[in-house]
Amino acid sequence: GNSVTQMEGPVTLSEEAFLTINCTYTATGYPSLFWYVQYPGEGLQLLLKATKADDKGSNKGFEATYRKETTSFHLEKGSVQVSDSAVYFCALSDPWRSQGNLIFGKGTKLSVKP
Amino acid sequence: DTEVTQTPKHLVMGMTNKKSLKCEQHMGHRAMYWYKQKAKKPPELMFVYSYEKLSINESVPSRFSPECPNSSLLNLHLHALQPEDSALYLCASSRRRTNTGEATNEKLFFGSGTQLSVL
Repeated sequence: GNSVTQMEGPVTLSEEAFLTINCTYTATGYPSLFWYVQYPGEGLQLLLKATKADDKGSNKGFEATYRKETTSFHLEKGSVQVSDSAVYFCALSDPWRSQGNLIFGKGTKLSVKP
Repeated sequence: DTEVTQTPKHLVMGMTNKKSLKCEQHMGHRAMYWYKQKAKKPPELMFVYSYEKLSINESVPSRFSPECPNSSLLNLHLHALQPEDSALYLCASSRRRTNTGEATNEKLFFGSGTQLSVL
């Protein structure tokens, strides 16, 4: 079945460091891919998405490219800030699957130190 | 208005209590969702409503009873819960699903959740 695998956290970085959070997926069909972010005490917010192969999603300095050949959607940011500290979830949505809209990875906690 | 509003933010209840969680959105979205999130885990889908009709129930115990009184409101009625039901309950909405209830690529908007503790 469809699934999402994220790198284990937590990830601790210094401010202005480069961030990569790996995400790979297994899916039938042609899923859309998402990164959601959850700040402490809050619900999830969509960070970026890509709906087809080679699409690049970007928002707030974060980027991720839909790589069909490697079934990956790694999240990157060139220079992280303390305010980026949160839990990041990779997710996929198979538009032809009736069992639910999103399948989430386990989440990766990011802590950015000043 | 791009918010999904959930009340209450925190709820403590005993195993014999009856309580309700409420969710509201005014974005004209026709799909609404309940997710359960345990600490340090990803959200797990519980229920999906599409055009005010229940389209997905992910084998959720009957002590959880969803209700969608109109297109803007979604409730989750709780009765005889167990301590293991303690979790963050998240409501979400999206613009639409297909008429057959199938998923689309629509973005989900999440509320901030209700942190539930069952004693």
